[in-house]
Amino acid sequence: EAQVTQNPRYLITVTGKKLTVTCSQNMNHEYMSWYRQDPGLGLRQIYYSMNVEVTDKGDVPEGYKVSRKEKRNFPLILESPSPNQTSLYFCASSPLTGLDTDTQYFGPGTRLTVL
Amino acid sequence: LAKTTQPISMDSYEGQEVNITCSHNNIATNDYITWYQQFPSQGPRFIIQGYKTKVTNEVASLFIPADRKSSTLSLPRVSLSDTAVYYCLVGDRGSGGYNKLIFGAGTRLAVHP
Repeated sequence: EAQVTQNPRYLITVTGKKLTVTCSQNMNHEYMSWYRQDPGLGLRQIYYSMNVEVTDKGDVPEGYKVSRKEKRNFPLILESPSPNQTSLYFCASSPLTGLDTDTQYFGPGTRLTVL
Repeated sequence: LAKTTQPISMDSYEGQEVNITCSHNNIATNDYITWYQQFPSQGPRFIIQGYKTKVTNEVASLFIPADRKSSTLSLPRVSLSDTAVYYCLVGDRGSGGYNKLIFGAGTRLAVHP
């Protein structure tokens, strides 16, 4: 089944404790992205990647890191989480065929709480 | 990407047709119009995409007038399971800006028994 998976789905942590949220897709998509969703603010893009070893900042990259060492994986790293990073996070992927570039496939989400 | 404007919320009843209109006055020539659906605590899901006139798939229809400054998502005979938030996005397939999806507040559709 074609899908985007994220782990963990739920995480409660404390300020300053480094964490990684994994994202994996099995559709051989070149493009991957991370979003956060907050009440009243909608979905905002954190980082995106056009291909292996190619990443770029989205609208709200502060406090986050990403890496793209393999095509299928795009982990989101919070080196020193803070309470304002409490949010619902979504990973998404998309092919870069030029035909469906707006169609992104989203993962199930990771609900992160930073105390 | 062009900014979009949608109603914040809509109510309907099972079996009715629902039309959600989105305004995108500054849409560019190369921009496509895409709609996503999001259920609570789930990721958005692609519904339909179009450039002009009418597009129909198994889930919905998308009507785009000639000036393309607005579009209407039509959901035929809605059921309770159609209760969700619907997002209208406008983006360019071919340019460097295509890779950024800017989600607005969306339209919260509530379907009642």
